[in-house]
Amino acid sequence: QVQLVQSGAEVKKPGASVKVSCKASGYTFISYDINWVRQATGQGLEWMGWINPNSGNTGYAQNFQGRVTMTKSSSIDTVYMELSSLRSEDSAMYYCTRGRPASFDHWGQGTLVTVSS
Amino acid sequence: QSVLTQPPSASGTPGQRVTISCPGSSSNIGRNTVNWYQQFPGTAPKLLIYTNNERPSGVPDRFSGSKSGTSASLAINGLQSEDEADYYCAAWDDSLNGHVFGTGTKVTVL
Repeated sequence: QVQLVQSGAEVKKPGASVKVSCKASGYTFISYDINWVRQATGQGLEWMGWINPNSGNTGYAQNFQGRVTMTKSSSIDTVYMELSSLRSEDSAMYYCTRGRPASFDHWGQGTLVTVSS
Repeated sequence: QSVLTQPPSASGTPGQRVTISCPGSSSNIGRNTVNWYQQFPGTAPKLLIYTNNERPSGVPDRFSGSKSGTSASLAINGLQSEDEADYYCAAWDDSLNGHVFGTGTKVTVL
């Protein structure tokens, strides 16, 4: 079965960077884009961007341009999302999700990122 | 802030029909397909409806989606207690060149 397994919770200081991984299994890794979506506690969903695991091409939401980098390692069926210059407002649950491409049919379990001094 | 503004809450008694609106614009819902996600507290969202009105395998047929012009809606027929959750609409936005989510609607079963 399709699974997306994310790395564990992170605590970072303001100004630092965080890198979250998402390991795919149960399907052909290069056949589907991976998107990242975040959700602050008690808030709605916010799309961050996508990566094509085949080409490595990416597309980022305007709100995150210049601060987010998505990469992939095809040898281990894993994608990464790195967010830099962290601030308290970046504290949230971060999800990776598989793109169909226009809809998101499988989701990771989420990675909680806490930004605190 | 989201460009798809949903009502913050909706409610009904068991067996009733509940609808959730998702008004958009020509750059998102007007040109692209709409998807709906269901989310329970403490869990990841789940795809509920894709391509406006299609249900993934395993989603009960009491859930249905529709789209007209620049607006979409989700209907839950025969509301059940296990339907208490948050519901989000989403679509690609050509102006923003990205996916946008609705603000979310919390459904309560009275």
